[in-house]
Amino acid sequence: DSGVTQTPKHLITATGQRVTLRCSPRSGDLSVYWYQQSLDQGLQFLIQYYNGEERAKGNILERFSAQQFPDLHSELNLSSLELGDSALYFCASSDYALNEQFFGPGTRLTVL
Amino acid sequence: DQQVKQNSPSLSVQEGRISILNCDYTNSMFDYFLWYKKYPAEGPTFLISISSIKDKNEDGRFTVFLNKSAKHLSLHIVPSQPGDSAVYFCAASAREGGGADGLTFGKGTHLIIQP
Repeated sequence: DSGVTQTPKHLITATGQRVTLRCSPRSGDLSVYWYQQSLDQGLQFLIQYYNGEERAKGNILERFSAQQFPDLHSELNLSSLELGDSALYFCASSDYALNEQFFGPGTRLTVL
Repeated sequence: DQQVKQNSPSLSVQEGRISILNCDYTNSMFDYFLWYKKYPAEGPTFLISISSIKDKNEDGRFTVFLNKSAKHLSLHIVPSQPGDSAVYFCAASAREGGGADGLTFGKGTHLIIQP
């Protein structure tokens, strides 16, 4: 158990809809990262937050957004969903001073 | 353009022997490298890492070697055990001002340990 929790485990929705994925980092970790794992693209970095502030952006679509709250949990919002957004979404956290990121179990999103 | 490449999608090794997983990178700004192990239906689990100022890092049965001039790293597992069967991901980061940035992952190598 990495100490990172993600909810929900599975999510099934329709095209055009909006969903929110939630992540709680390991106790004491200030940095939260979101990754998408799809069959053809592998694990891709989406966005990073550090202590409530956006710190780095990767291959995140404009339809996607995230935020980190004062209690350090984070939410990833996916809107106007398309079939191609079906993937595993992982959250990871780290102590900013270290480089090892610890991953949650993921949320499997299926867009029908 | 893939900046981190794992050219072997799968690797089969006999139990007790050495497993060697390889990874190549193209971005010379990468200065920190990590290996993760992933079982189906679970998130990646951190295994071992290496900074670009080192050429070797060891942790129990796992050793990572870094050859900066060749932009190549490898993970050695000795001896290989049945529980090592999993997908192994190589990852890299280019740290600016210290701290951990988003990781760039390879596509993984499925390691199968044969009894």
